[in-house]
Amino acid sequence: DQQVKQNSPSLSVQEGRISILNCDYTNSMFDYFLWYKKYPAEGPTFLISISSIKDKNEDGRFTVFLNKSAKHLSLHIVPSQPGDSAVYFCAANSGGSNYKLTFGKGTLLTVNP
Amino acid sequence: EADIYQTPRYLVIGTGKKITLECSQTMGHDKMYWYQQDPGMELHLIHYSYGVNSTEKGDLSSESTVSRIRTEHFPLTLESARPSHTSQYLCASSAGTIEKLFFGSGTQLSVL
Repeated sequence: DQQVKQNSPSLSVQEGRISILNCDYTNSMFDYFLWYKKYPAEGPTFLISISSIKDKNEDGRFTVFLNKSAKHLSLHIVPSQPGDSAVYFCAANSGGSNYKLTFGKGTLLTVNP
Repeated sequence: EADIYQTPRYLVIGTGKKITLECSQTMGHDKMYWYQQDPGMELHLIHYSYGVNSTEKGDLSSESTVSRIRTEHFPLTLESARPSHTSQYLCASSAGTIEKLFFGSGTQLSVL
């Protein structure tokens, strides 16, 4: 049973516009969430994270929003650039002595020039 | 910058062969992980280690084994490769309580 769900396998946006990637989770014990970016033939790289005590975290063009009541988070990229084209993975952790991450299936973002 | 290395990057091998996928990190991280990923699917944790001589199986059952004799080295071994083992294997390491994993570039394994 998937605990972290990314229901959109792909997303295509125009350069300069906003990209919104969505993620839902089912496990109430998750209290820390991360986004990773992956280019083909490379390993994922950490992008941005958010703790459950916050509802927003911003880093440059990237903002993550967390809605705990809906068990939903989203990644906003503004403005989108062609170099942002990659697979984006949502991941969650339940903290404490658990150092493991649970990943979603990823969303392929294509930013068209 | 993260320094975690995986070799080989690509491996095509016949059924029944024994293989070892190498993973090394130079950051002194105590925690290391192996994830397996098929195209379009989640990364599944198959093994992890919180320190030397400590290894645990992950959430996804795997026929592979791992060892952690040195902090920097976390190799994964398949005693007898099968076509069902065809996948991408990603090694990662981290330090601290909140996870920001540093991933290697992965090994794409194809078993014929």
